[in-house]
Amino acid sequence: QSALTQPASVSGSPGQSITISCTGTSSDVGAYNYVSWYQQHPGKAPKLMVYDVTNRPSGVSNRFSGSKSGNTASLTISGLQAEDEADYYCTSYTPNGTPFVIFGGGTKLTVL
Amino acid sequence: QVQLVESGGGLVKPGGSLRLSCAASGFTFSDYYMSWIRQAPGRGLEWVSYISDGGTIIYYADSVKGRFTISRDNAKKSLSLQMNSLRAEDSAVYYCARGPYGSGSYQFHWGQGTLVTVST
Repeated sequence: QSALTQPASVSGSPGQSITISCTGTSSDVGAYNYVSWYQQHPGKAPKLMVYDVTNRPSGVSNRFSGSKSGNTASLTISGLQAEDEADYYCTSYTPNGTPFVIFGGGTKLTVL
Repeated sequence: QVQLVESGGGLVKPGGSLRLSCAASGFTFSDYYMSWIRQAPGRGLEWVSYISDGGTIIYYADSVKGRFTISRDNAKKSLSLQMNSLRAEDSAVYYCARGPYGSGSYQFHWGQGTLVTVST
């Protein structure tokens, strides 16, 4: 199973918007709307931020939004805040054997 | 709300064994796949194992196959990971997670993690 491809790092200034990409294939990200995004602060457990490409769990700020185009899913954070500085991981369902959910390598977001 | 509480981590010598446990609450445990996912210091998230809601489907990452055993007790709402023949490269924070599938959704909810250190 190949991992999903994420940029190693992105950065932005407070108030700006940033986008983190997650690239898969036409068999996983491109074929199904089962992409999720997780935020992880240092020393903490990952937290679900977006599921099924665009849905936010209750309690997650509407500054976080998800989208997809072709084989690439994206997480956009608008109105960047210092507390958004964290690692972000994407996952996707894949029908190609096991495991049936694969991870991205993670992206470090730095708020300048 | 979903709560997952891991226990059993610690320092163990190479070749030794540990048993991790995860106590679940706040959801219908028997409706969900359950997983162990680990994260070595400074690294990304890595699959260890998952088990289906009824316990009939089990996956192990190649790196742990033959050494680790996952199990669940739906009556007690608990998940376990027996880790044998531990190696230095197994050192990581081990997360218990609800998922990757349940109630029609592909997503994870995570416990706080338990640290496993394999060292002399």
